[in-house]
Amino acid sequence: IQLTQSPSSLSASVGDRVTITCRAGQSVDRYLNWYQQKPGKAPKLLISTTSSLQSGASSRFSGSGSGTEFTLTISSLQPEDFAVYYCQQSYSTSITFGQGTRLDIK
Amino acid sequence: EVQLLESGGSLVQPGGSLRLSCAASGFKFTDHAMTWVRQAPGKGLEWVSGISDSGRSPYYADFAKGRFTISRDNSKNTLFLQMNSLRVEDTAVYYCAKDFVGTGLEYWGQGTLVTVSS
Repeated sequence: IQLTQSPSSLSASVGDRVTITCRAGQSVDRYLNWYQQKPGKAPKLLISTTSSLQSGASSRFSGSGSGTEFTLTISSLQPEDFAVYYCQQSYSTSITFGQGTRLDIK
Repeated sequence: EVQLLESGGSLVQPGGSLRLSCAASGFKFTDHAMTWVRQAPGKGLEWVSGISDSGRSPYYADFAKGRFTISRDNSKNTLFLQMNSLRVEDTAVYYCAKDFVGTGLEYWGQGTLVTVSS
């Protein structure tokens, strides 16, 4: 199942509200997860099954959607939020990741 | 505390083989499926393989079928990835992660670097 993220890159300022979209080639129900990755580190799970915020993740992060269209929203960007974000579907046994969205400081 | 520790990555020539290991601790290993994900230098995340909690059901990305074999030793809480016929394009950091389908990958190892080059 192909996942397409948009945008591929994004420049924003501290305090901005940011939304990243993930579109699936077919329905993944609500089995869509979001990760944050910083340079040289393993990915960190932020949100599972569309909207469940992981323990330890900031409440600035929220997820929504279903079927084929999903969004990750960061309500008020903080300096530590600048990273690469990936969506991932865990609906099928052939799991897939989106290509990533690089979030840079403007 | 959940810990996943990969090992086995190294420099290998094209056509060669390598076996990666992932030592798990801090959770009941036999209750969880496991996953391998890789990341080529400067590229995105790519799923490689997953295996059921019992080890009886392996799953592979198309590029891994016929070349890679996932397995696990539940008596030693260890996950493996046997990689044969390695290609230059297999060069990547390989991560193991707890769980597989139906949920997010909450715990990841630190990764082990596989470099395929002559």
